[in-house]
Amino acid sequence: QVKLLQSGAELVKPGASVKLSCKTSGFTFSTSYMSWLKQVPGPSIEWIGWIYAGDGGTNYNQKFKGKATLTVDKSSSTAYMDLSSLTSEDAAVYFCARISGSHYFDYWGQGVMVTVSS
Amino acid sequence: DIVMTQGALPNPVPSGESASITCQSSKSLLHSNGKTYLNWYLQRPGQSPQLLIYWMSTRASGVSDRFSGSGSGTDFTLKISSVEAEDVGVYYCQQFLEYPLTFGSGTKLEIK
Repeated sequence: QVKLLQSGAELVKPGASVKLSCKTSGFTFSTSYMSWLKQVPGPSIEWIGWIYAGDGGTNYNQKFKGKATLTVDKSSSTAYMDLSSLTSEDAAVYFCARISGSHYFDYWGQGVMVTVSS
Repeated sequence: DIVMTQGALPNPVPSGESASITCQSSKSLLHSNGKTYLNWYLQRPGQSPQLLIYWMSTRASGVSDRFSGSGSGTDFTLKISSVEAEDVGVYYCQQFLEYPLTFGSGTKLEIK
């Protein structure tokens, strides 16, 4: 059974950074593409980027370059996303999702809310 | 970037009636391999999005046959026949032809 379990809600001060995690199970992580997405009330969903767990190769949405950094730990089948220099614009729910080889997001994490406030 | 534009529904939709959600892309999503890279997702209240339809018209595993997808290269429709209470939520179309991957703004379905 495929599972993507994300870390808990974060309250972060403006200007700080946060690292979100997405622990996976039930599939071969090392040959998977893992993606991160942002959802703000509206509602709307933005794609941040993907990382190939096999070699750490990445593809970012230009909009999030410099803001998000994707990494993986193959030993624990976990994907991570670092968000830096947080502002109120970064307050959102963030999802991790697996990309199927057939070009769709087939499994999603439960989402994590990031609040930016002093 | 490819812009995805979704239409609205005349909410609330009576239970048992059909509902059609439209989505338009700013560029054809037809790939040279013959596949159209348009996906549909449903996000129920308080949940993560879940895949309904991929390649414009292929139903995902476990998805009710009340859901069907159709369209051309730039104009797409998700049809829900005989809507039920469990269909409530926000429906998104999403293109997987080019980066950056983009989503429509969502179409809310309410049931009467």
